[in-house]
Amino acid sequence: EPEVTQTPSHQVTQMGQEVILRCVPISNHLYFYWYRQILGQKVEFLVSFYNNEISEKSEIFDDQFSVERPDGSNFTLKIRSTKLEDSAMYFCASRDGLTYGYTFGSGTRLTVV
Amino acid sequence: RKEVEQDPGPFNVPEGATVAFNCTYSNSASQSFFWYRQDCRKEPKLLMSVYSSGNEDGRFTAQLNRASQYISLLIRDSKLSDSATYLCVVRGYGQNFVFGPGTRLSVLP
Repeated sequence: EPEVTQTPSHQVTQMGQEVILRCVPISNHLYFYWYRQILGQKVEFLVSFYNNEISEKSEIFDDQFSVERPDGSNFTLKIRSTKLEDSAMYFCASRDGLTYGYTFGSGTRLTVV
Repeated sequence: RKEVEQDPGPFNVPEGATVAFNCTYSNSASQSFFWYRQDCRKEPKLLMSVYSSGNEDGRFTAQLNRASQYISLLIRDSKLSDSATYLCVVRGYGQNFVFGPGTRLSVLP
Protein backbone atom coordinates (compact mmCIF):
# COMPACT_ATOMS: atom_id res chain seq x y z
CA GLU A 1 0.00 0.00 0.00
CA PRO A 2 1.40 3.45 -0.91
CA GLU A 3 2.71 5.45 2.02
CA VAL A 4 3.41 9.03 2.97
CA THR A 5 6.95 9.13 4.32
CA GLN A 6 8.15 11.66 6.88
CA THR A 7 11.65 12.36 8.11
CA PRO A 8 13.02 12.61 10.67
CA SER A 9 10.82 10.65 13.04
CA HIS A 10 12.06 12.71 15.98
CA GLN A 11 13.85 16.06 16.02
CA VAL A 12 15.14 17.91 19.05
CA THR A 13 16.05 21.55 18.54
CA GLN A 14 16.94 24.54 20.63
CA MET A 15 14.52 27.42 20.95
CA GLY A 16 15.12 29.99 18.25
CA GLN A 17 16.59 27.53 15.77
CA GLU A 18 15.17 26.81 12.34
CA VAL A 19 13.83 23.34 11.55
CA ILE A 20 12.74 21.73 8.33
CA LEU A 21 10.39 18.78 8.43
CA ARG A 22 10.32 16.64 5.34
CA CYS A 23 7.58 14.64 3.70
CA VAL A 24 7.31 12.54 0.57
CA PRO A 25 3.62 12.29 -0.34
CA ILE A 26 2.13 9.46 -2.37
CA SER A 27 3.32 9.92 -5.93
CA ASN A 28 0.05 10.50 -7.78
CA HIS A 29 -1.51 12.65 -5.08
CA LEU A 30 -2.28 16.27 -5.82
CA TYR A 31 -3.20 17.82 -2.46
CA PHE A 32 -0.81 18.11 0.44
CA TYR A 33 -1.30 19.09 4.05
CA TRP A 34 0.45 19.69 7.32
CA TYR A 35 -1.27 19.08 10.63
CA ARG A 36 0.08 19.12 14.14
CA GLN A 37 -0.90 17.47 17.40
CA ILE A 38 0.35 18.76 20.71
CA LEU A 39 0.66 15.88 23.19
CA GLY A 40 -2.74 15.03 24.63
CA GLN A 41 -4.60 17.44 22.39
CA LYS A 42 -6.52 17.19 19.13
CA VAL A 43 -5.10 17.19 15.63
CA GLU A 44 -5.00 20.75 14.25
CA PHE A 45 -4.85 21.95 10.65
CA LEU A 46 -1.85 24.06 9.64
CA VAL A 47 -1.82 24.41 5.86
CA SER A 48 -2.97 22.90 2.59
CA PHE A 49 -1.05 23.05 -0.68
CA TYR A 50 -2.21 22.47 -4.22
CA ASN A 51 -0.81 23.31 -7.63
CA ASN A 52 2.40 24.67 -6.07
CA GLU A 53 0.74 27.16 -3.82
CA ILE A 54 -0.91 27.42 -0.44
CA SER A 55 -4.66 27.00 -0.77
CA GLU A 56 -5.61 27.39 2.89
CA LYS A 57 -3.87 28.07 6.16
CA SER A 58 -4.92 28.33 9.78
CA GLU A 59 -4.18 31.05 12.29
CA ILE A 60 -1.45 28.80 13.70
CA PHE A 61 0.42 29.06 10.40
CA ASP A 62 1.95 32.49 10.97
CA ASP A 63 5.00 34.14 9.42
CA GLN A 64 7.29 31.71 11.23
CA PHE A 65 5.99 28.86 9.09
CA SER A 66 6.50 28.18 5.42
CA VAL A 67 5.97 25.27 3.06
CA GLU A 68 7.66 24.29 -0.13
CA ARG A 69 7.53 21.57 -2.76
CA PRO A 70 10.98 22.08 -4.22
CA ASP A 71 11.33 19.15 -6.57
CA GLY A 72 7.95 17.61 -7.31
CA SER A 73 8.32 14.86 -4.73
CA ASN A 74 9.30 16.38 -1.39
CA PHE A 75 6.97 18.60 0.61
CA THR A 76 8.61 20.50 3.44
CA LEU A 77 7.49 22.50 6.44
CA LYS A 78 9.93 25.07 7.78
CA ILE A 79 9.70 26.75 11.15
CA ARG A 80 12.06 29.73 11.16
CA SER A 81 12.55 30.39 14.84
CA THR A 82 11.16 27.64 17.00
CA LYS A 83 9.38 28.30 20.27
CA LEU A 84 8.77 25.92 23.15
CA GLU A 85 5.09 25.79 22.20
CA ASP A 86 5.98 24.43 18.75
CA SER A 87 6.75 21.11 20.41
CA ALA A 88 4.27 18.68 18.88
CA MET A 89 3.82 15.81 16.48
CA TYR A 90 3.69 17.13 12.93
CA PHE A 91 1.79 15.06 10.41
CA CYS A 92 2.02 15.39 6.66
CA ALA A 93 -0.93 14.13 4.62
CA SER A 94 -1.84 13.83 0.98
CA ARG A 95 -4.81 12.87 -1.14
CA ASP A 96 -5.60 12.30 -4.77
CA GLY A 97 -8.08 14.41 -6.67
CA LEU A 98 -10.87 11.87 -6.55
CA THR A 99 -11.53 11.24 -2.87
CA TYR A 100 -11.40 13.36 0.26
CA GLY A 101 -9.88 10.82 2.61
CA TYR A 102 -6.32 11.68 3.50
CA THR A 103 -3.37 9.39 3.96
CA PHE A 104 -1.20 10.57 6.83
CA GLY A 105 2.49 10.02 7.30
CA SER A 106 3.76 8.55 10.54
CA GLY A 107 4.72 11.99 11.81
CA THR A 108 7.74 13.89 13.07
CA ARG A 109 7.92 14.47 16.79
CA LEU A 110 9.44 17.93 17.29
CA THR A 111 10.80 18.75 20.71
CA VAL A 112 11.93 22.33 21.31
CA VAL A 113 14.17 22.77 24.35
CA ARG B 1 -19.40 26.01 20.61
CA LYS B 2 -16.54 23.78 19.46
CA GLU B 3 -16.54 22.82 15.80
CA VAL B 4 -16.51 19.06 16.37
CA GLU B 5 -17.41 17.50 19.69
CA GLN B 6 -17.22 13.89 20.74
CA ASP B 7 -18.08 11.74 23.75
CA PRO B 8 -15.32 12.45 26.27
CA GLY B 9 -14.61 8.80 27.09
CA PRO B 10 -12.72 6.72 27.84
CA PHE B 11 -14.86 3.73 27.04
CA ASN B 12 -13.77 0.49 28.70
CA VAL B 13 -15.66 -2.49 27.30
CA PRO B 14 -15.21 -6.28 27.39
CA GLU B 15 -14.32 -8.20 24.27
CA GLY B 16 -17.39 -8.96 22.22
CA ALA B 17 -19.30 -5.91 23.38
CA THR B 18 -21.03 -3.42 21.12
CA VAL B 19 -19.95 0.18 21.58
CA ALA B 20 -21.25 3.40 20.04
CA PHE B 21 -19.51 6.72 19.65
CA ASN B 22 -21.26 10.01 19.06
CA CYS B 23 -20.09 13.17 17.39
CA THR B 24 -21.69 16.53 16.68
CA TYR B 25 -20.47 19.29 14.41
CA SER B 26 -21.33 22.97 14.37
CA ASN B 27 -20.87 23.96 10.74
CA SER B 28 -24.05 23.10 8.83
CA ALA B 29 -22.16 23.63 5.54
CA SER B 30 -19.85 20.69 6.25
CA GLN B 31 -19.43 18.49 3.21
CA SER B 32 -17.65 15.29 4.10
CA PHE B 33 -17.45 13.17 7.20
CA PHE B 34 -15.05 10.52 8.35
CA TRP B 35 -14.04 8.32 11.22
CA TYR B 36 -10.32 7.89 11.79
CA ARG B 37 -8.62 5.79 14.41
CA GLN B 38 -5.40 6.78 16.11
CA ASP B 39 -3.21 4.45 18.09
CA CYS B 40 -1.07 5.92 20.84
CA ARG B 41 1.58 8.27 19.39
CA LYS B 42 0.79 7.14 15.85
CA GLU B 43 -0.76 8.84 12.85
CA PRO B 44 -4.53 8.93 12.28
CA LYS B 45 -5.70 6.21 9.92
CA LEU B 46 -8.89 6.35 7.91
CA LEU B 47 -11.43 3.92 9.27
CA MET B 48 -14.35 4.85 7.07
CA SER B 49 -16.09 7.67 5.29
CA VAL B 50 -19.60 8.46 6.45
CA TYR B 51 -22.38 8.77 3.89
CA SER B 52 -25.83 10.27 4.27
CA SER B 53 -27.50 6.90 3.80
CA GLY B 54 -25.32 5.29 6.45
CA ASN B 55 -22.71 2.72 5.64
CA GLU B 56 -21.26 -0.45 7.04
CA ASP B 57 -17.84 -2.04 6.81
CA GLY B 58 -17.72 -5.40 8.53
CA ARG B 59 -18.22 -4.82 12.24
CA PHE B 60 -18.32 -1.04 11.84
CA THR B 61 -21.42 1.00 11.03
CA ALA B 62 -21.45 4.75 10.52
CA GLN B 63 -24.49 7.00 10.48
CA LEU B 64 -24.95 10.64 9.55
CA ASN B 65 -27.86 12.88 10.44
CA ARG B 66 -27.38 16.19 8.64
CA ALA B 67 -30.47 17.78 10.18
CA SER B 68 -29.14 17.16 13.68
CA GLN B 69 -25.49 17.60 12.64
CA TYR B 70 -24.71 14.31 14.25
CA ILE B 71 -22.46 11.40 13.31
CA SER B 72 -22.17 8.03 14.97
CA LEU B 73 -19.94 4.99 14.84
CA LEU B 74 -21.04 1.57 16.04
CA ILE B 75 -18.54 -1.21 16.63
CA ARG B 76 -19.98 -4.69 17.05
CA ASP B 77 -18.19 -7.69 18.56
CA SER B 78 -15.29 -5.59 19.87
CA LYS B 79 -11.79 -7.04 19.56
CA LEU B 80 -8.73 -6.25 21.65
CA SER B 81 -7.23 -4.73 18.50
CA ASP B 82 -10.03 -2.16 18.37
CA SER B 83 -8.45 -0.39 21.35
CA ALA B 84 -7.54 3.07 20.07
CA THR B 85 -8.76 6.65 19.98
CA TYR B 86 -11.55 7.23 17.49
CA LEU B 87 -11.54 10.61 15.78
CA CYS B 88 -14.57 12.22 14.21
CA VAL B 89 -13.46 14.33 11.25
CA VAL B 90 -15.43 16.87 9.26
CA ARG B 91 -14.60 18.78 6.10
CA GLY B 92 -16.23 22.10 5.20
CA TYR B 93 -16.17 23.78 1.81
CA GLY B 94 -12.43 24.12 2.05
CA GLN B 95 -9.97 21.31 1.86
CA ASN B 96 -8.92 21.08 5.44
CA PHE B 97 -10.28 18.67 7.98
CA VAL B 98 -11.52 19.62 11.40
CA PHE B 99 -10.79 16.93 13.94
CA GLY B 100 -12.75 16.18 17.05
CA PRO B 101 -10.84 15.60 20.28
CA GLY B 102 -11.31 11.85 19.98
CA THR B 103 -12.85 9.19 22.16
CA ARG B 104 -10.55 6.57 23.63
CA LEU B 105 -11.68 2.95 23.57
CA SER B 106 -10.12 0.18 25.62
CA VAL B 107 -11.35 -3.33 24.89
CA LEU B 108 -10.61 -5.56 27.85
CA PRO B 109 -10.01 -9.34 27.78
